Amino acid sequence: DGGITQSPKYLFRKEGQNVTLSCEQNLNHDAMYWYRQDPGQGLRLIYYSQIVNDFQKGDIAEGYSVSREKKESFPLTVTSAQKNPTAFYLCASSRGTVNYGYTFGSGTRLTVV
Amino acid sequence: DAKTTQPPSMDCAEGRAANLPCNHSTISGNEYVYWYRQIHSQGPQYIIHGLKNNETNEMASLIITEDRKSSTLILPHATLRDTAVYYCIVRVGNSGGGADGLTFGKGTHLIIQP
Repeated sequence: DGGITQSPKYLFRKEGQNVTLSCEQNLNHDAMYWYRQDPGQGLRLIYYSQIVNDFQKGDIAEGYSVSREKKESFPLTVTSAQKNPTAFYLCASSRGTVNYGYTFGSGTRLTVV
Repeated sequence: DAKTTQPPSMDCAEGRAANLPCNHSTISGNEYVYWYRQIHSQGPQYIIHGLKNNETNEMASLIITEDRKSSTLILPHATLRDTAVYYCIVRVGNSGGGADGLTFGKGTHLIIQP
């Protein structure tokens, strides 16, 4: 079955360390997205990519970095510059037009101690 | 994108229809209404979308008022598994219009009571 996979589901890191979250899709979708969700809040867009080798900052890109070397993969690195990295991170993909809906992964819960 | 307003929470009895309202009074002519839901600690799930006609699929029905300033998502026979946060989003729906990311507010927390 086609889908979008995020790994790991839970991640613990020490303060000051960079950490990379994985996102892979086999839906042949052009566009991919990273969102952050804090308890009781909606989703906030971190980065998005409409096509391979291209990506754009979302609303809260500071302290994060991404790459899009392959259509299937859109990893997110949470750097030590991110002041409050503990959150639930969600990856999504779409055909590039919102008419088809977004497909979301099951998320990675990052805890920085 | 037009702003949406949803009640923070709602209750519904199991087996009854759940009607979730959304106000979008500043919606423009080329903006669609989209609904997603998020079950606790999972990724959001697309439910339905529409422009001005009412829409129905296997999950839900979407009723949009004639002036398009508000809409209602209807879950016809709610089950306990429908307990989730429901997001109403307004967005241009033409090609590429969604490629730069949807904006998710706080949504409505729907609780289905047994």
